[in-house]
Amino acid sequence: NAGVMQNPRHLVRRRGQEARLRCSPMKGHSHVYWYRQLPEEGLKFMVYLQKENIIDESGMPKERFSAEFPKEGPSILRIQQVVRGDSAAYFCASSPLTASSGSYEQYFGPGTRLTVT
Amino acid sequence: ILNVEQSPQSLHVQEGDSTNFTCSFPSSNFYALHWYRWETAKSPEALFVMTLNGDEKKKGRISATLNTKEGYSYLYIKGSQPEDSATYLCARPGSQGNLIFGKGTKLSVKP
Repeated sequence: NAGVMQNPRHLVRRRGQEARLRCSPMKGHSHVYWYRQLPEEGLKFMVYLQKENIIDESGMPKERFSAEFPKEGPSILRIQQVVRGDSAAYFCASSPLTASSGSYEQYFGPGTRLTVT
Repeated sequence: ILNVEQSPQSLHVQEGDSTNFTCSFPSSNFYALHWYRWETAKSPEALFVMTLNGDEKKKGRISATLNTKEGYSYLYIKGSQPEDSATYLCARPGSQGNLIFGKGTKLSVKP
């Protein structure tokens, strides 16, 4: 059973370009979470998705960022018109089940390191 | 305490030493506490999910305890080895099941 997969592992974009980060959850997992690690900071929640639904995007910046998890295919985190401050490591995690109790493990991918030049 | 706090921020020990560090969290509306181990350039790896007050969980030389009434959890490593060097994160669930992480304790074990 393959783990959570993310690609690309490293992404370099110039200011103003678009960045697309992909996450394939573990087989059988239908819950995907995106987190961001800014330099010198911890992991911060961005968005939680189930298939075809955004459940919670309270951690997502209001502009330029969007996420989707289509019925078929990976989850995509999209950043439009990137700026230097978007440089960070972006991690996705998946779980088979979830509940407001949050007692299920989340399995993390290796991350995508975005560098904006 | 409104969020998750971890101490110390970093720790340097010699191989063979036993060590422990602390995670503090809001004691009201407790549901679960997660511990992760995060090696540089790798994925955070789940160690424990703790839900019951007084719970103690163990995985090899690593164990964790939980006190939900006072809002803290301890992670213990017995006989530290260089391969234990990593950042240890704890997290509590948010309202939708997302995780709210502490900043971690960075452990360095010298041979």
